[in-house]
Amino acid sequence: ETGVTQTPRHLVMGMTNKKSLKCEQHLGHNAMYWYKQSAKKPLELMFVYSLEERVENNSVPSRFSPECPNSSHLFLHLHTLQPEDSALYLCASSQDLSLASGSQFFGPGTRLTVL
Amino acid sequence: AQSVTQLDSQVPVFEEAPVELRCNYSSSVSVYLFWYVQYPNQGLQLLLKYLSGSTLVKGINGFEAEFNKSQTSFHLRKPSVHISDTAEYFCAVTYYGGSQGNLIFGKGTKLSVKP
Repeated sequence: ETGVTQTPRHLVMGMTNKKSLKCEQHLGHNAMYWYKQSAKKPLELMFVYSLEERVENNSVPSRFSPECPNSSHLFLHLHTLQPEDSALYLCASSQDLSLASGSQFFGPGTRLTVL
Repeated sequence: AQSVTQLDSQVPVFEEAPVELRCNYSSSVSVYLFWYVQYPNQGLQLLLKYLSGSTLVKGINGFEAEFNKSQTSFHLRKPSVHISDTAEYFCAVTYYGGSQGNLIFGKGTKLSVKP
């Protein structure tokens, strides 16, 4: 595998379920990100990790819980979601947080549907 | 607060025709600017970026963009499009001194290239 991978690619869950999204990067990067992409809305940054420490949390509801056990893996744990949480969840990574050192590389996303 | 406006949500164009996708930003300070492309069922990929220097920036796949500070614009252009350019294009901005975690994205423009 190369680049940034995400599993599962599609997920349907009920509002009482607990599930997790997984992201893995094979690029040796030190920063990782979770974004939410909803129809007709700008891409929303949810969480930023640098060297496995969370550095950004943009007022995301607590029903979304990120975890970064090492620099290659990033999880998004989901529980008691709402239908409006249905969206494409994108993971990205970059060498570090500096804009000068390179851009973000995105995974293909997980299409989440909350019933 | 910073914002990015992509004036056209959809742009249909015939193959081999030129195209311009418009992007305006609101900022009174120096900025860094980016264009990303998202092909169907894929994550975002960097097309080009402006950090400093020449205001005409060349990117991948024959795309280029021009930074115009007086008009606060960063329009994306291609002189002759191909069917394979059909995708959604996102403009993004962050302020001078910002980081990868501060990117503000526009709502995107869907480019549809017809034969």
